[in-house]
Amino acid sequence: AAGVIQSPRHLIKEKRETATLKCYPIPRHDTVYWYQQGPGQDPQFLISFYEKMQSDKGSIPDRFSAQQFSDYHSELNMSSLELGDSALYFCASSFRAFSTDTQYFGPGTRLTVL
Amino acid sequence: AQTVTQSQPEMSVQEAETVTLSCTYDTSENNYYLFWYKQPPSRQMILVIRQEAYKQQNATENRFSVNFQKAAKSFSLKISDSQLGDTAMYFCAFMKSTETSGSRLTFGEGTQLTVNP
Repeated sequence: AAGVIQSPRHLIKEKRETATLKCYPIPRHDTVYWYQQGPGQDPQFLISFYEKMQSDKGSIPDRFSAQQFSDYHSELNMSSLELGDSALYFCASSFRAFSTDTQYFGPGTRLTVL
Repeated sequence: AQTVTQSQPEMSVQEAETVTLSCTYDTSENNYYLFWYKQPPSRQMILVIRQEAYKQQNATENRFSVNFQKAAKSFSLKISDSQLGDTAMYFCAFMKSTETSGSRLTFGEGTQLTVNP
């Protein structure tokens, strides 16, 4: 079965640089979620989109922005990167049907900021 | 706001034995879902089991089952016939039910389970 695809899988950036993470949801899934997992921590919700509209917003820094496109893929844009942004970034997707909304996660993008 | 608490940072079990991981949560919501996800060393987040709060029957998926006590706000995971491949970090997660999609997952701190041969 097709899974959530994230690219790139690994990314190394310098402080103050910009990064773009991409997420391709499972086919037919209409909702995308972004989570950030720091070392030794549980995943923290950043933002979600349903049918290309922002549906929920968590502790996402103002330096970050995201959107969902017409083909349902999503991009997380991160600017003015800081050392503390080094983390594993997960994208998850779900299909809005009978309120199931079970989220299936991609493999994650490991971002290292030097 | 919802909170999820896993009071066991680490647990270990012998292969083929049974182990139970604990999870409690706090919410004022009446309609919600609870999940257990596992995160093996590969760091992939893998869904283990899901429970709808409106269902009294405990969810079961092969060797994995839950004990859902809504009044006590408790949601424990039982793993039977433990296998070496079950070694992973296990996260309990809460999601409230909404009329629109996109509701966030709130995770507990995780329990690192080690299955010993």
